[in-house]
Amino acid sequence: GESVGLHLPTLSVQEGDNSIINCAYSNSASDYFIWYKQESGKGPQFIIDIRSNMDKRQGQRVTVLLNKTVKHLSLQIAATQPGDSAVYFCAENLAGTYKYIFGTGTRLKVLA
Amino acid sequence: DAGVIQSPRHEVTEMGQEVTLRCKPISGHNSLFWYRQTMMRGLELLIYFNNNVPIDDSGMPEDRFSAKMPNASFSTLKIQPSEPRDSAVYFCASSSFSTSGGSGEQFFGPGTRLTVL
Repeated sequence: GESVGLHLPTLSVQEGDNSIINCAYSNSASDYFIWYKQESGKGPQFIIDIRSNMDKRQGQRVTVLLNKTVKHLSLQIAATQPGDSAVYFCAENLAGTYKYIFGTGTRLKVLA
Repeated sequence: DAGVIQSPRHEVTEMGQEVTLRCKPISGHNSLFWYRQTMMRGLELLIYFNNNVPIDDSGMPEDRFSAKMPNASFSTLKIQPSEPRDSAVYFCASSSFSTSGGSGEQFFGPGTRLTVL
């Protein structure tokens, strides 16, 4: 059969609008979460993190929300800019372990 | 700090040849990870070192792959012999880990893009 590649969900956003990227994590025992940004040809770059004792954390133009009840993580980017175009990954870390589990990623396209 | 350093950035080789990828983690980090990223599978963990000791190599595809960490500032990932299906981007990442505090932020290197013809 024909092989298929990893189809990343794509979010297209108008420049200046806010972006919301969602992630469902897998393990209720995870207690540390990271959002990464990966631009073409580069390695994943840390954006923001949050520990499970928090529901919300804000950075510069970015906010991460954590809903442990439904195992959901979101990344909000305010006033999206062309430089925000990239693939965004969430990663979860199981409490007391070294292991990080990465989501498949979402491609963000910023329209001028 | 310069961050995680990887070399080479690009490698093109022929099937059957030996390939060695190199990584210098961030100074002071005690955990080092090798990942492989492909369009088919996304980001896969190959091997994890803690304090220079391999802890989990369950992600290493087969015996053709081997990794070493002779000291806290250097690690290698070797593929011998290489095959076309090994073509991918290989990332090294480092972090600080403690049994009490858990893992912290994981920093990635720029990656090595490997093409096996």
